Amino acid sequence: GQNIDQPTEMTATEGAIVQINCTYQTSGFNGLFWYQQHAGEAPTFLSYNVLDGLEEKGRFSSFLSRSKGYSYLLLKELQMKDSASYLCAVRDSNYQLIWGAGTKLIIKP
Amino acid sequence: ETGVTQTPRHLVMGMTNKKSLKCEQHLGHNAMYWYKQSAKKPLELMFVYNFKEQTENNSVPSRFSPECPNSSHLFLHLHTLQPEDSALYLCASSQGFGDTGELFFGEGSRLTVL
Repeated sequence: GQNIDQPTEMTATEGAIVQINCTYQTSGFNGLFWYQQHAGEAPTFLSYNVLDGLEEKGRFSSFLSRSKGYSYLLLKELQMKDSASYLCAVRDSNYQLIWGAGTKLIIKP
Repeated sequence: ETGVTQTPRHLVMGMTNKKSLKCEQHLGHNAMYWYKQSAKKPLELMFVYNFKEQTENNSVPSRFSPECPNSSHLFLHLHTLQPEDSALYLCASSQGFGDTGELFFGEGSRLTVL
């Protein structure tokens, strides 16, 4: 079956760096997405990786290794507003999005 | 503001009620989606409409009935629901189904079935 694994919850300190991992096993691969979802709000798009390597966008970076079925989202200079859930999703060979259960990130002062 | 608006934001209904969720997108997209989000579970795709045609129905019980009158509006009609149907229902849109673009989500309708 198809599966996306990511940690349920992580805690980090304001100003620090945190890495949220995502591993996947899917029928084919047509890209990996990261979304951010604040409590009670809509998920919003953060990043898209389809080729191996690192994509940097401000304080956020996303890495992909297709051979390892692995991605991570790196958040630098953490701010309190980064407290949210981070959702990993992979588009399979049928262009269906397979979602992880999300990682709840708690930022402490 | 994501360009996708859902109403109502909160809904409480009994098991014998009939209600509808509404979604409207102002982005000119051609694909619209209904997802179910339960605590600590992955998003579950329920229905997909592409150019107003339903292309996906992921074994959703018939007590959920979608309607897509045009490419900007999507409804989810609810009847004789069960308590386990209590969840956040998210609507999303994209340029087209199967393209590499991102999804734009509404803020969801929080449904509680008593």
